[in-house]
Amino acid sequence: QQNVQQSPESLIVPEGARTSLNCTFSDSASQYFWWYRQHSGKAPKALMSIFSNGEKEEGRFTIHLNKASLHFSLHIRDSQPSDSALYLCAVSTGGADRLTFGKGTQLIIQP
Amino acid sequence: EAAVTQSPRNKVAVTGGKVTLSCNQTNNHNNMYWYRQDTGHGLRLIHYSYGAGSTEKGDIPDGYKASRPSQENFSLILELATPSQTSVYFCASGARLGQDTQYFGPGTRLLVL
Repeated sequence: QQNVQQSPESLIVPEGARTSLNCTFSDSASQYFWWYRQHSGKAPKALMSIFSNGEKEEGRFTIHLNKASLHFSLHIRDSQPSDSALYLCAVSTGGADRLTFGKGTQLIIQP
Repeated sequence: EAAVTQSPRNKVAVTGGKVTLSCNQTNNHNNMYWYRQDTGHGLRLIHYSYGAGSTEKGDIPDGYKASRPSQENFSLILELATPSQTSVYFCASGARLGQDTQYFGPGTRLLVL
């Protein structure tokens, strides 16, 4: 069964700094990798996804994926207070019928 | 924007009672999911469905049943509610398995006394 772990559990970062969140997974056959963001009291919402090794950038957000290391990460450039949220990574195996979520990283951006 | 709604938004139930949580999506997505979220556990999959008439067990199905009577509706049923089922429940829908965004409803906060 897929095991997804996130680190750190929580993080406090000053406004304008770069933030890095990590996710490891156990199933080497995994094919689809997601980051979801959940603001307090709200529903999770998809932020970014990556399906092949390497890097993908969208605005201030970048995903890195290294399948051989069973690791992917989310980097936020110029962090803003509005980025404060619970960040959930999720992994799906190819043809699999589900996503397995990590427990989340609680990110606080201090003005 | 894809739309998923849930009812009720808040529910207080008694131990041993029956609880039904409802979910409706207007995205015409084949796949629907029920998760629960507890502090320290992230999102855990309870049941999911590939389409009308189908239900599948997720990672923590014990104590829960699911029903998918139509493309749009997916219900989660607690036949005999227990205090350990106190949680926030999220429904989600998605198009293709794994590859496409899952769209979440606003959640139902359930308290079992």
